[in-house]
Amino acid sequence: EVQLLESGGGLVQPGGSLRLSCAASRFIFASYAMSWVRQAPGKGLEWVSTIRGSGDKTYYADSVRGRFTISRDNSKNTLHLQMSSLRAEDTSTYYCAKEVASNGWFEGSFDFWGQGTLVTVSS
Amino acid sequence: QSALTQPASVSGSPGQSITISCTGTSSDVGGYNLVSWYQQHPGKAPKLMIYEGSKRPSGLSNRFSGSKSGNTASLTISGLQAEDEADYYCCSYAGSRGTLFGGGTKLTVL
Repeated sequence: EVQLLESGGGLVQPGGSLRLSCAASRFIFASYAMSWVRQAPGKGLEWVSTIRGSGDKTYYADSVRGRFTISRDNSKNTLHLQMSSLRAEDTSTYYCAKEVASNGWFEGSFDFWGQGTLVTVSS
Repeated sequence: QSALTQPASVSGSPGQSITISCTGTSSDVGGYNLVSWYQQHPGKAPKLMIYEGSKRPSGLSNRFSGSKSGNTASLTISGLQAEDEADYYCCSYAGSRGTLFGGGTKLTVL
């Protein structure tokens, strides 16, 4: 079955940076768009960013645009999220999620999720 | 405030059916056939239950069904079971705005 394993979370000070990674396996990684979805403690789900299968186009929520950068390395089956200028409101569990559609496009439906990595922004 | 509106909570007895609504606009729910639904148990990652409005992932119980009318999507769970107790989230593709989630609905099985 598909496996998604996030890493890179931790405690960071406001204004700091952090890079999350997601190691994918057991599917043709380059054929699927990949996304990051976050969930603040005790709160609901929030879409953060998506990158197409080929990596040629990226999408961001308004709340993170200009501060976060999504990227992927299809040769290593790995997804990344570079986060900078972090704020307290970015504190969340960050999930890596695989798109349902196998055309590599972004359609906003996610059939497999990682276990999540916690990012805490605090001084 | 979430972009898609869901009831905060619903409840039902074992064996009954419940429906969770998800209201958006013509720019998201009503504009695309790309509504999905997720189940989340405490401390766990979300699980896809419905995609493209009414399709079930392989192996998922047919007790779960999805539909849409105008700008409102719905998730129906029939034959409620204790293990269905969880949080449920709707999600819709929204074009240039990316994808939007509802605020979530807590299902209690009485």
